[in-house]
Amino acid sequence: KLVESGGGLVQPGGSLRLSCAVSGFTFNSYWMHWVRQAPGKGLMWVSRINNDGTAPIYADSVKGRFAISRDNAKNMLYLQMNSLNSEDTAVYYCTRGQPNLSYYDLWGQGALVTVSS
Amino acid sequence: DIQMTQSPSTLSASVGDRVTIICRASQNSYNYLAWYQQKPGKAPKPLIYRASTLESGVPSRFSGSGFGTEFTLTISGLQPDDFATYYCQQYNSNPLTFGGGTKVEIK
Repeated sequence: KLVESGGGLVQPGGSLRLSCAVSGFTFNSYWMHWVRQAPGKGLMWVSRINNDGTAPIYADSVKGRFAISRDNAKNMLYLQMNSLNSEDTAVYYCTRGQPNLSYYDLWGQGALVTVSS
Repeated sequence: DIQMTQSPSTLSASVGDRVTIICRASQNSYNYLAWYQQKPGKAPKPLIYRASTLESGVPSRFSGSGFGTEFTLTISGLQPDDFATYYCQQYNSNPLTFGGGTKVEIK
């Protein structure tokens, strides 16, 4: 099970940290991703982290502003989002993938992030 | 980046119809192609991976085919629960990319 938290309303230029609590499987065996969906729009991959947290990658649109991390001891995934703008407004999903390139076989329920003044 | 293009963007159909959704990749994605179903206000649900392998628990009326740059999702005998939006996704190379979605509506 994946349960996101930490979403909410933030002003442009602000910061927010999303969390994803993991249960029911061996967290450190899987690579984890964040995927977002702007209101009424399609799905966009945001970031991925490998199972030991040493090799994060990011979509160009968030590179340098977002940071993905994980705590395997606590079964938690995080997304630190800085310098937020209106284009970051979306539902953010925590997803599970197999090592390396993989589809997402498990999704969280999503956390809504709204960037507005 | 591999661009994924779905068609049609909207499809009107009746219960019992056979529907086909097409997904085209801008580059060879081999069979690293997944399909997801999303209902309003819910997270996407995986249906098919490796272009044609059904996820556990997915009804057999769903099927997928294709290789390389052209893929199809077919629903044989549309059920009321199938009215939703469907997305394809390539996972052959980073960044993983999705199609724009196909909304299946009640005719």
